[in-house]
Amino acid sequence: DAGVTQSPTHLIKTRGQQVTLRCSPKSGHDTVSWYQQALGQGPQFIFQYYEEEERQRGNFPDRFSGHQFPNYSSELNVNALLLGDSALYLCASSPRQGAAGELFFGEGSRLTVL
Amino acid sequence: DQQVKQNSPSLSVQEGRISILNCDYTNSMFDYFLWYKKYPAEGPTFLISISSIKDKNEDGRFTVFLNKSAKHLSLHIVPSQPGDSAVYFCAAVSYGQNFVFGPGTRLSVLP
Repeated sequence: DAGVTQSPTHLIKTRGQQVTLRCSPKSGHDTVSWYQQALGQGPQFIFQYYEEEERQRGNFPDRFSGHQFPNYSSELNVNALLLGDSALYLCASSPRQGAAGELFFGEGSRLTVL
Repeated sequence: DQQVKQNSPSLSVQEGRISILNCDYTNSMFDYFLWYKKYPAEGPTFLISISSIKDKNEDGRFTVFLNKSAKHLSLHIVPSQPGDSAVYFCAAVSYGQNFVFGPGTRLSVLP
């Protein structure tokens, strides 16, 4: 049973570029959340997708956008990259939106913006 | 404004002794609390959780205590092992809302 998988694992971009990160949730999970973890900080909630719609959003600008596909996989897009966007981006899945219980995390995509 | 705080960035403990990691929260609407462990180059993995209707939950060497009046929870690891060395995140959630994570505490268990 595959857990949460993310790609790519590492990438380097320059300021102003755009990036797309991908996530496949754990089997049986239909809700995907994205988190940004800056160095020395805890994961910060970006947004959550359920039934192909953004259901909740954290305090992130519109440069951060996402998508969920019918097979529950998800993408995170960041436009006009800034140096401060350098971080580990974590995808997490859960069985259904709003349910109590743990999130299952992928290994993350480490983005470096130069 | 941090809703979940872990005031100790790091903690060192001797192997075999008890590790106590602390977490404080400000939002009284939180009703479920979790601890995650993170090794380098890996995503956080779930460790143990507790509902707000309980004050203690135990799973093997790991016990989480919740003091709702003080808005404080702690994770006890007994006995500590070198493989427990990792960053530990406290997280809190209220029904239907997103998880809020603390900044983490780096635990080093010394052999």
